Amino acid sequence: GDSVTQMEGPVTLSEEAFLTINCTYTATGYPSLFWYVQYPGEGLQLLLKATKADDKGSNKGFEATYRKETTSFHLEKGSVQVSDSAVYFCALSDGGTGNQFYFGTGTSLTVIP
Amino acid sequence: IAGITQAPTSQILAAGRRMTLRCTQDMRHNAMYWYRQDLGLGLRLIHYSNTAGTTGKGEVPDGYSVSRANTDDFPLTLASAVPSQTSVYFCASSDQGARTDTQYFGPGTRLTVL
Repeated sequence: GDSVTQMEGPVTLSEEAFLTINCTYTATGYPSLFWYVQYPGEGLQLLLKATKADDKGSNKGFEATYRKETTSFHLEKGSVQVSDSAVYFCALSDGGTGNQFYFGTGTSLTVIP
Repeated sequence: IAGITQAPTSQILAAGRRMTLRCTQDMRHNAMYWYRQDLGLGLRLIHYSNTAGTTGKGEVPDGYSVSRANTDDFPLTLASAVPSQTSVYFCASSDQGARTDTQYFGPGTRLTVL
């Protein structure tokens, strides 16, 4: 079945450091891929998405490229800020029964000044 | 625009009690979803509804039921709560339930079953 595997955390970085959070997926067909962010005590918010191979999603300095050949959708940001501290979830949608989203287990990021 | 509201924010419940978690959206989305979030497991789909009047089972439906009487509301009921249902519950919605659609999430309900 469909699944998402993402880099385990927690991750701690200094402000202005480069961020990569790895995400790989297994899916039949052609899924859409998403990154969601969850701040403490809140629900999930869409960070970015890509709906077909080679698409690049970007938002707030974050970006991720849909790589079909490596089944990956790694999240990157060139210079993190303290306000980026949150839990990040990679997810896929295959449009199957119920259009279920399959989520990774989440990666906790803490950025220190 | 409120988006998705959930109630209650948190609840402590005795095992065996019945509980309904409420979810309302004001975006006129056709599709709605209930997920539970557990540490180390990410989010898992409990039930979904592609349109008013229809519902379906997700990955972990046992012990839960839903109804979709209208477009806006999608309540989740625990008929007889058990401690393993202690979790954070998120309601979500999307426009058409299509592969490319974004799912929008509510703030969550933290449920503890003792």
